[in-house]
Amino acid sequence: EAQVTQNPRYLITVTGKKLTVTCSQNMNHEYMSWYRQDPGLGLRQIYYSMNVEVTDKGDVPEGYKVSRKEKRNFPLILESPSPNQTSLYFCASSYAGNTEAFFGQGTRLTVV
Amino acid sequence: GDSVTQMEGPVTLSEEAFLTINCTYTATGYPSLFWYVQYPGEGLQLLLKATKADDKGSNKGFEATYRKETTSFHLEKGSVQVSDSAVYFCALTPNTGNQFYFGTGTSLTVIP
Repeated sequence: EAQVTQNPRYLITVTGKKLTVTCSQNMNHEYMSWYRQDPGLGLRQIYYSMNVEVTDKGDVPEGYKVSRKEKRNFPLILESPSPNQTSLYFCASSYAGNTEAFFGQGTRLTVV
Repeated sequence: GDSVTQMEGPVTLSEEAFLTINCTYTATGYPSLFWYVQYPGEGLQLLLKATKADDKGSNKGFEATYRKETTSFHLEKGSVQVSDSAVYFCALTPNTGNQFYFGTGTSLTVIP
């Protein structure tokens, strides 16, 4: 089954404690991206990757890092989380940047 | 820059009513346009898309037409069902194909 898998689904952490949200896709897609969803703001793109070792900033990259060492994986790293990063995060993949995106189930992150 | 403006919700309709959710966009050139749907507790799923002016995307009884002259991509359905209750997002990707831009989402509730 074609899917994008994110882990964990829910996470509560404390300010400053480094965390990683994993994302994996099994469709051999070249393009992957991360979004955060906040009430009244819709989805905003954090980072995207057009291929292995190629990443670029989206609209709200501050406080986040990503890496793309393998085609299937695109982890999101928060080196020092802060409460304003409390949000619902989605990973997505697609064949190319302007084709149908497949989304993961989401990760609800709370930073206290 | 590129952006999407979407009709604010929430929208509540009775079953079998006609649905319109307005979406307008700002972009240079000829972006691709999408409607995504998010059911409770799930990630986004592609509902329909259109890649050039005057294209009509359709799926599951929903339709939207790419109108270059009015920069619009309004979502319509002739007769909604309770199972259509969800959040609907309009989105665009520019012809460079590197980023997605989402609207703020419109919550639809259909009552029996």
